[in-house]
Amino acid sequence: AQSVSQHNHHVILSEAASLELGCNYSYGGTVNLFWYVQYPGQHLQLLLKYFSGDPLVKGIKGFEAEFIKSKFSFNLRKPSVQWSDTAEYFCAVNGATGFQKLVFGTGTRLLVSP
Amino acid sequence: DAGVTQSPTHLIKTRGQQVTLRCSPISGHKSVSWYQQVLGQGPQFIFQYYEKEERGRGNFPDRFSARQFPNYSSELNVNALLLGDSALYLCASSSSRGQVNTEAFFGQGTRLTVV
Repeated sequence: AQSVSQHNHHVILSEAASLELGCNYSYGGTVNLFWYVQYPGQHLQLLLKYFSGDPLVKGIKGFEAEFIKSKFSFNLRKPSVQWSDTAEYFCAVNGATGFQKLVFGTGTRLLVSP
Repeated sequence: DAGVTQSPTHLIKTRGQQVTLRCSPISGHKSVSWYQQVLGQGPQFIFQYYEKEERGRGNFPDRFSARQFPNYSSELNVNALLLGDSALYLCASSSSRGQVNTEAFFGQGTRLTVV
């Protein structure tokens, strides 16, 4: 069965700290990978995506993620978080063939204290 | 440009009732998907429609149905509501021909509460 596992349910950091959120997936085949963010009171927005090519992808607001195929992982990183990064972060996977069906992890709530 | 719009934003229904949720995709997008997000969980895929045809269906009972109209807007219907149907229902649109290598844009969602 297809699944996505996010190891950290809640993360609390101080401003300027570095961030790494773990994401592992289980999927039988080639995948596309995504990180979405949901700021308080707002809709889900795409942070970054990986379809193919360079496994290190850069997204908006200084976020990046690295696809490690051998580890079935797609961890999200940011060198220095800001208070405005407080949000819920979702990792998602989609098969690279067939119809578009995103499988999401349970999400990680990030709280950045000033 | 307007993003994905959903209506209503909030809804309270009684067990056993039926509900219809509506979604208008981004202009030019022909693919619409529906997701259910229960509190504390990630969104779960319900349906995908492209050009008015169902392209994919998640693991949801037959009480859930959907359709897409010629203008690419979509409705999600849920019959015989159960307390467990209480959730945030998300609509996403994409420009794909139902293919996977595109980004899905999400609406704000409809918060359904079943009492």
